[in-house]
Amino acid sequence: EIVLTQSPGTLSLSPGERATLSCRASQSVSSSHLAWYQQKPGQAPRLLIYGASNRATGIPDRFSGSGSGPDFTLTISRLEPEDFAVYYCQQYGSSPRYTFGQGTKVEIK
Amino acid sequence: EVQLVESGGGLVQPGGSLRLSCAASGFTVSSNYMSWVRQAPGKGLEWVSIIYTGGATSYADSVKGRFTISRDNSKNMVYLQVNGLGAEDTAVYYCTRDNYYYYGIDVWGLGTTVTVSS
Repeated sequence: EIVLTQSPGTLSLSPGERATLSCRASQSVSSSHLAWYQQKPGQAPRLLIYGASNRATGIPDRFSGSGSGPDFTLTISRLEPEDFAVYYCQQYGSSPRYTFGQGTKVEIK
Repeated sequence: EVQLVESGGGLVQPGGSLRLSCAASGFTVSSNYMSWVRQAPGKGLEWVSIIYTGGATSYADSVKGRFTISRDNSKNMVYLQVNGLGAEDTAVYYCTRDNYYYYGIDVWGLGTTVTVSS
């Protein structure tokens, strides 16, 4: 089973700043199998990025994904107040179908 | 509008059972891969089970032999029968839909909470 490790655990930033979140897989992962989600307190997760770099429907262009092989990055170019949340990376596998990273919390500094 | 609404959660004693239900609207469950994903209090996300369009199923090792996923095409519903519950199964259970064209979950329900406690 592939393990996803996200870093940092918590990112303290101010609105307007750039956020860079990392997701590292324990073995090589196809870019097409890597997704990112945002979760706010009390809400279900929301798909942000699929295929490592493709924004899902309705996702603002300040969100971007990149990377390949074992290392992937989610970047939020300029943080808006509504972007403070927990972010999860996810990879598709055969069994289990999906594994998730442990999450990165982006909090207001 | 594409929507998933879960129900059936609650407080159950260790060793007990529940049947979680997921009502879909705006799309057909039998034409999509449908999963359950759970989240323990204050923890991350864990994929639990999937039912494929052809009816095949798959489970996380942590629930294999205890949980059963199924669907009712006539009602456009997905179910998760959860048996032999332990404290480690306490979580919010989300019903989800895989996107048809890429790997990722594009629709999530609001979740139903299962609490296992004596």
